[in-house]
Amino acid sequence: EPEVTQTPSHQVTQMGQEVILRCVPISNHLYFYWYRQILGQKVEFLVSFYNNEISEKSEIFDDQFSVERPDGSNFTLKIRSTKLEDSAMYFCASSEAPPGTSGVTDTQYFGPGTRLTVL
Amino acid sequence: DQQVKQNSPSLSVQEGRISILNCDYTNSMFDYFLWYKKYPAEGPTFLISISSIKDKNEDGRFTVFLNKSAKHLSLHIVPSQPGDSAVYFCAASLTISGNTPLVFGKGTRLSVIA
Repeated sequence: EPEVTQTPSHQVTQMGQEVILRCVPISNHLYFYWYRQILGQKVEFLVSFYNNEISEKSEIFDDQFSVERPDGSNFTLKIRSTKLEDSAMYFCASSEAPPGTSGVTDTQYFGPGTRLTVL
Repeated sequence: DQQVKQNSPSLSVQEGRISILNCDYTNSMFDYFLWYKKYPAEGPTFLISISSIKDKNEDGRFTVFLNKSAKHLSLHIVPSQPGDSAVYFCAASLTISGNTPLVFGKGTRLSVIA
């Protein structure tokens, strides 16, 4: 069964450093997402991406965050200058949303997550 | 601003009995609801969903009920099995096309005791 994969599973970094979290969405999916879950809190939406541009972003997704689809398979989240409060599990998700088909239910499938620890 | 609330952080159920997980929401514009299950060190796994035009959706041992007037949904698992022990997240979306952000509740940890 196709699945979303994420690397690395755990990333430790120093405050102020840049990190890149990588995701490989399910191959025929067109919509991509990043969510995060701070320890003990709920899963929160960061950003969605379609057709090589951001579709929506939350207020969490400020200027220090960026996303990119550098090739046909990877989807990355970059945090330019990490802060202590960026420590969280970061989940990538993807969904298949055939263009022009409104009213079609669809599902976001999640990867296993990357645990980011900022020291 | 908790638009999706799961007021029970944990639930323990005997194997073979019914598990009922509850979820409330405040945004009446939500029209698609999902339940995800999460094991430790894994990402959320889709379980079952329901659109606002229905009040019940069933898939094997899992049934989701939606009460729009009460802004309440519940997940029933029957019979419960030890492998069902996990954290269950309720999520809501503004459209049913799947390409809008999911708003999650905080989760309920279900423990099924053998």
